[in-house]
Amino acid sequence: EPEVTQTPSHQVTQMGQEVILRCVPISNHLYFYWYRQILGQKVEFLVSFYNNEISEKSEIFDDQFSVERPDGSNFTLKIRSTKLEDSAMYFCASSEVFGVQETQYFGPGTRLLVL
Amino acid sequence: ILNVEQSPQSLHVQEGDSTNFTCSFPSSNFYALHWYRWETAKSPEALFVMTLNGDEKKKGRISATLNTKEGYSYLYIKGSQPEDSATYLCAFGGATNKLIFGTGTLLAVQP
Repeated sequence: EPEVTQTPSHQVTQMGQEVILRCVPISNHLYFYWYRQILGQKVEFLVSFYNNEISEKSEIFDDQFSVERPDGSNFTLKIRSTKLEDSAMYFCASSEVFGVQETQYFGPGTRLLVL
Repeated sequence: ILNVEQSPQSLHVQEGDSTNFTCSFPSSNFYALHWYRWETAKSPEALFVMTLNGDEKKKGRISATLNTKEGYSYLYIKGSQPEDSATYLCAFGGATNKLIFGTGTLLAVQP
């Protein structure tokens, strides 16, 4: 069964460093998302992406964050200068069709720890 | 600010017990309610997408109901098994394409 994959599974970085989190969405999906869960808090939406453009972003998704689909299969989240409060589990998701009534399929997450 | 709440936060049951938990969400601008099952170190697994008031969905021993007028959904597990142990997340879908998640219910099933 097709699945969303994410790499790395864990990443430890120093405050101020850049990190790139990678995702391979399900191959025929067109809509991509990043969510995150800070330990002990709810899963929260960061950004959605379609047709090489950001469709929607949350207040969290400031200038330190960017997303890219560098080729036909990968979808990346970059944090330019990490802060301690960026420590979280980052989930990538994808859906075949637009609309919140469609299932969003999630990857297993990347646990980011900023020291 | 849209708020999605789940209760209880955690639940311990014995194998064979049936159990249920609740997700409450805004009753306005409702488009969909999603349920996910999330085991540690694995991808959250989509269980149901519910869109219509009165919807009932079933997948094996797991079922869910939806009341959009009062803003709640119940998830039921019949005859819990140890492999049902996981965090169950609900997520509200409103007028945009993003999902707004609840806090989750952590279920532990003791053999």
